[in-house]
Amino acid sequence: KAGVTQTPRYLIKTRGQQVTLSCSPISGHRSVSWYQQTPGQGLQFLFEYFSETQRNKGNFPGRFSGRQFSNSRSEMNVSTLELGDSALYLCASSSARDTGELFFGEGSRLTVL
Amino acid sequence: GENVEQHPSTLSVQEGDSAVIKCTYSDSASNYFPWYKQELGKRPQLIIDIRSNVGEKKDQRIAVTLNKTAKHFSLHITETQPEDSAVYFCAADPQGGSEKLVFGKGTKLTVNP
Repeated sequence: KAGVTQTPRYLIKTRGQQVTLSCSPISGHRSVSWYQQTPGQGLQFLFEYFSETQRNKGNFPGRFSGRQFSNSRSEMNVSTLELGDSALYLCASSSARDTGELFFGEGSRLTVL
Repeated sequence: GENVEQHPSTLSVQEGDSAVIKCTYSDSASNYFPWYKQELGKRPQLIIDIRSNVGEKKDQRIAVTLNKTAKHFSLHITETQPEDSAVYFCAADPQGGSEKLVFGKGTKLTVNP
């Protein structure tokens, strides 16, 4: 079974630009969560989608948004990029609410110049 | 909301020694506590988890203990090996599922041969 796939793996943007990251969950998984990982802050929750609906949202500004498609693939978008948005963005999928385990992708490393 | 504190931030041990990482959480409604291991340049992976209806769980050299009254849980690794070197994250789920985990900031464990 293929794991969680994230694209692109690396990208460089400049301040003010916007970026879209993609996540393909494990086949059959309907829940997708996004996390921002930075050296000082660890893993911070962005949002979670289940069956195309945003079910939870973390404390990030409105510049961060996401969506989920009918095939459970998810995208997140960051508009008006700031230097502080440089981070590793991790996507994780799970099969059901009470399964417990999150399966992470390898992440998309965003650098904002 | 839930807040998870993790200590220490770095831990260095000699091969064969034990390592203990401690976490505290704030939300008494949390009832699921996983631990993730992230090797350098790789994705976080679940190594063990515990639910609030048990006090301890073991899996070979790894064990997790939970004290719900004190709101803290710990990861114990015995007979450490160089391949245990990684960053370990504890997490708590205030909603009882796995789609909105609040993570600690991580502990970088180094096992010296």
